[in-house]
Amino acid sequence: DSGVTQTPKHLITATGQRVTLRCSPRSGDLSVYWYQQSLDQGLQFLIQYYNGEERAKGNILERFSAQQFPDLHSELNLSSLELGDSALYFCASSKQGANEKLFFGSGTQLSVL
Amino acid sequence: GESVGLHLPTLSVQEGDNSIINCAYSNSASDYFIWYKQESGKGPQFIIDIRSNMDKRQGQRVTVLLNKTVKHLSLQIAATQPGDSAVYFCAEMGSNYQLIWGAGTKLIIKP
Repeated sequence: DSGVTQTPKHLITATGQRVTLRCSPRSGDLSVYWYQQSLDQGLQFLIQYYNGEERAKGNILERFSAQQFPDLHSELNLSSLELGDSALYFCASSKQGANEKLFFGSGTQLSVL
Repeated sequence: GESVGLHLPTLSVQEGDNSIINCAYSNSASDYFIWYKQESGKGPQFIIDIRSNMDKRQGQRVTVLLNKTVKHLSLQIAATQPGDSAVYFCAEMGSNYQLIWGAGTKLIIKP
């Protein structure tokens, strides 16, 4: 168990809908990272937060947004969903946010039908 | 641009033999490299890392080798066990301090 908690584990929704994925980092970790993993794309970095502030952005679509709350949990919001958004979404956390050793959650499997 | 590539998408190894997973990187200025293991249905798990001022680093049954001359990274797993079956990812610290991930190598253990 990495100590990173992601909910829900599975999510099935329809095109055009909006969903929210939630992540609780390991106790003491200040930074949260979101990744998308699909079969043909590998692990794609989406966005990173450190102590409530956005620190880095990767290949995150404008339809996607995220935030980190004062209690350090994070939410990834995906809107106007498309079939191609179906993927495994991982959250990871680290202490200092310098991309040192990351601890990953078990992921949320999103299926857009 | 920066990229990290893996030589083989799938590697089959006899149980008890040593496994070697290779990775090429393109940014000669990268100074940090890391290996993760992802078992089926789980998130990636840190295995071992290495900084560019080192050529070799050893962990428990794993060794990472870094050849900066040819920009090559390898992960060696000694006495491979069934529990080593997973997808292995190498990652490189890019110029914006974000990790650049390879596509992954699936390690299959033959009994």
